[in-house]
Amino acid sequence: GENVEQHPSTLSVQEGDSAVIKCTYSDSASNYFPWYKQELGKRPQLIIDIRSNVGEKKDQRIAVTLNKTAKHFSLHITETQPEDSAVYFCAASSPSNYQLIWGAGTKLIIKP
Amino acid sequence: GAGVSQSPSNKVTEKGKDVELRCDPISGHTALYWYRQSLGQGLEFLIYFQGNSAPDKSGLPSDRFSAERTGGSVSTLTIQRTQQEDSAVYLCASSLLAGTGNTGELFFGEGSRLTVL
Repeated sequence: GENVEQHPSTLSVQEGDSAVIKCTYSDSASNYFPWYKQELGKRPQLIIDIRSNVGEKKDQRIAVTLNKTAKHFSLHITETQPEDSAVYFCAASSPSNYQLIWGAGTKLIIKP
Repeated sequence: GAGVSQSPSNKVTEKGKDVELRCDPISGHTALYWYRQSLGQGLEFLIYFQGNSAPDKSGLPSDRFSAERTGGSVSTLTIQRTQQEDSAVYLCASSLLAGTGNTGELFFGEGSRLTVL
């Protein structure tokens, strides 16, 4: 079955710097890759997603890139701000599987 | 409703007691998921409902756990004879689209925090 690995587990960056979180997946049929943000004590919320027919998608300070050949995708956050501090989860799903397979999460810490 | 609603938000119970957790999904969402999240951990899949299809129970950790979804809307997760290791936040999520080639955004509830003493 599908397996999603996420790195790093913890990432600490200086405010204003960029942050990159990477995920790899095992099922080459996977075609949908969302990223969810979970602030402390809050529910996970979708921040950006990408489907396998595109290689990159941007939304203001966040972007997601997808490399289908290498089976990995990454979340990029530029000009980080204190409110970016949270746990970020990646996930993947395939046409044959309604399930989202989740990464273990990355705790992003923004240092003032 | 504005979003996915879960109740209770907090539940403290004694070991051995049964608990029921409720999820009211967004109206019209056909897919409903239950996840468990222990402190500082990731999302552990428990069970999935899609329309009138048989639920996928493959994530339930033991036969003490069960769930039902009545009328394709409200869902109840029941944990019998609770154990201390059941302590966690139980998250419900619903989705408008799910199925072949069409995974949709999951909308999560605030969760039910269960503490078993």
